[in-house]
Amino acid sequence: EAAVTQSPRNKVAVTGGKVTLSCNQTNNHNNMYWYRQDTGHGLRLIHYSYGAGSTEKGDIPDGYKASRPSQENFSLILELATPSQTSVYFCASGDAGGSAETLYFGSGTRLTVL
Amino acid sequence: GEQVEQLPSILRVQEGSSASINCSYEDSASNYFPWYKQEPGENPKLIIDIRSNMERKQIQELIVLLDKKAKRFSLHITDTQPGDSAMYFCAASASSGSWQLIFGSGTQLTVMP
Repeated sequence: EAAVTQSPRNKVAVTGGKVTLSCNQTNNHNNMYWYRQDTGHGLRLIHYSYGAGSTEKGDIPDGYKASRPSQENFSLILELATPSQTSVYFCASGDAGGSAETLYFGSGTRLTVL
Repeated sequence: GEQVEQLPSILRVQEGSSASINCSYEDSASNYFPWYKQEPGENPKLIIDIRSNMERKQIQELIVLLDKKAKRFSLHITDTQPGDSAMYFCAASASSGSWQLIFGSGTQLTVMP
């Protein structure tokens, strides 16, 4: 099975601080994604990437940056964290291009911004 | 942008009965509809999917129906068991960009013994 590892599992940050969430996948998938999960909203796409060096905006990119330095690693960066960014964040990798892609999710990062 | 509506948000059923979750989508070009199951404290995992060239698909106790005209699809779990208790997400592929999945807001299913 696909292996997607996120770190940290839990993070408490202060308002205005910088937060970096990391994701590593060992499956050589081209596509990687960052979602946040909030009650009543399901999974919402923040940023995604087609491969090393590529980042694209998802549906809710404001306040977030992304970095894909290699095929394996995809980071989500909150330059100035706000309490509204308190959420559970999931990274995922995708096994195929096109419209029938299976996503493999990491275990999630619970972020609390005080 | 594309929206996927999922209902109900909370569903409680008796063990052994059936559970149904309904989703609707806006983009008539969507052609792939997966369902993900998220158990408590776990990550979402794909459990079944259907493509637009099909109307029905079954894997064991899971049945997915797709009505392209009405732009609706649904998941039916027959003979529910306590292990089916979880959050379920439907999704539809978006035709804009690179076919990213648009997820519904989720259904929390509880199967009562």
